[in-house]
Amino acid sequence: EDKVVQSPLSLVVHEGDTVTLNCSYEVTNFRSLLWYKQEKKAPTFLFMLTSSGIEKKSGRLSSILDKKELFSILNITATQTGDSAVYLCAGASDSWGKLQFGAGTQVVVTP
Amino acid sequence: GAVVSQHPSWVICKSGTSVKIECRSLDFQATTMFWYRQFPKQSLMLMATSNEGSKATYEQGVEKDKFLINHASLTLSTLTVTSAHPEDSSFYICSATGREANQPQHFGDGTRLSIL
Repeated sequence: EDKVVQSPLSLVVHEGDTVTLNCSYEVTNFRSLLWYKQEKKAPTFLFMLTSSGIEKKSGRLSSILDKKELFSILNITATQTGDSAVYLCAGASDSWGKLQFGAGTQVVVTP
Repeated sequence: GAVVSQHPSWVICKSGTSVKIECRSLDFQATTMFWYRQFPKQSLMLMATSNEGSKATYEQGVEKDKFLINHASLTLSTLTVTSAHPEDSSFYICSATGREANQPQHFGDGTRLSIL
């Protein structure tokens, strides 16, 4: 059975701190690992990772995939209150790109 | 690009009512659409996958006669919750992918369904 595990489940940081979110996965016919940010509505896409060891960056966010260890991390540097959200990790399989989501990490950034 | 619109955003109705939720891809052709359900403080659970012009594939434990999915065109999929009951109250979210291989799913804004 496919499984995606995220840690920690929640954390509270101060503005300006750096956070690292973890995601381990076991997905049959694995194709890619995706990160999404969810605030009050539906998830918004952050990154899709298909190759090991290649860091993807978007502003203060970055992510990397380790296909040998079946692991990915999402880093947020210089956090702002607008980064407060649930961050979801999902593994995509070859079967139409079906996603298996983790439980999410709730990040709270305090002023 | 890659905008997915979902309607309505919020529904409150009486037990026994059937509710239809629409999911549209606004600026791309969605060959595959996905329907998820999310309970409070939980992650997204895939309900079904639908490819344009064919029957939906339902996940284990999801009643296909209860949750009717139609994907009649490349820009529209609908989910109908038939004879809804309070336990069907949840946040329903659709997503879509286009023809190109290895593209991320893009999500609609979700529909909050409350059955009284």
